[in-house]
Amino acid sequence: GAVVSQHPSRVICKSGTSVKIECRSLDFQATTMFWYRQFPKKSLMLMATSNEGSKATYEQGVEKDKFLINHASLTLSTLTVTSAHPEDSSFYICSANRPGQGIYEQYFGPGTRLTVT
Amino acid sequence: AQSVTQLGSHVSVSEGALVLLRCNYSSSVPPYLFWYVQYPNQGLQLLLKYTTGATLVKGINGFEAEFKKSETSFHLTKPSAHMSDAAEYFCAVLYNQGGKLIFGQGTELSVKP
Repeated sequence: GAVVSQHPSRVICKSGTSVKIECRSLDFQATTMFWYRQFPKKSLMLMATSNEGSKATYEQGVEKDKFLINHASLTLSTLTVTSAHPEDSSFYICSANRPGQGIYEQYFGPGTRLTVT
Repeated sequence: AQSVTQLGSHVSVSEGALVLLRCNYSSSVPPYLFWYVQYPNQGLQLLLKYTTGATLVKGINGFEAEFKKSETSFHLTKPSAHMSDAAEYFCAVLYNQGGKLIFGQGTELSVKP
């Protein structure tokens, strides 16, 4: 089956620093990737849709200057949390659309646990 | 606005008992429907999906779901719960190919020995 990886799986950073999270589709090319944020005991909140070669589309209320998304290739999208603060601590999950399967099915990464101290 | 509602944020069953997790969506146009399972500190794993055709869909781990258009529902069932089924379950809908998944609030399933 299709595999999506995320790196790192867990990161701790100091307040005010930036941290980059990578999302890779390992065995297929993904023209579209999605970034979600999940709070404890909560559902997934879509942050943005990342399209290869173009600017990401952010959901309402998500600060695009704080959560920088780059989709530089068909297999890699990155999320950079800039000037992180403790309230940015969360579980971040990416997913990738796999085309050519009759329906564009999303494959999810294992998630990245971000803790800002 | 399109939405997905999962009735019950927490469901507890005994091992061997029937599992029923409810999901309703709001739309006049039948969407694509999904159930995902999430174990602690992990991503989402697809249990099953409905796109077209047979309305009773079988998935992994003995789960199945039935699409009922008249009830705008896609409830998830398993005849006999196992301890390993304890996890968070999410219902999701997709209204157009390549579009955004809309998730329900999630239901935490606990299985008692």
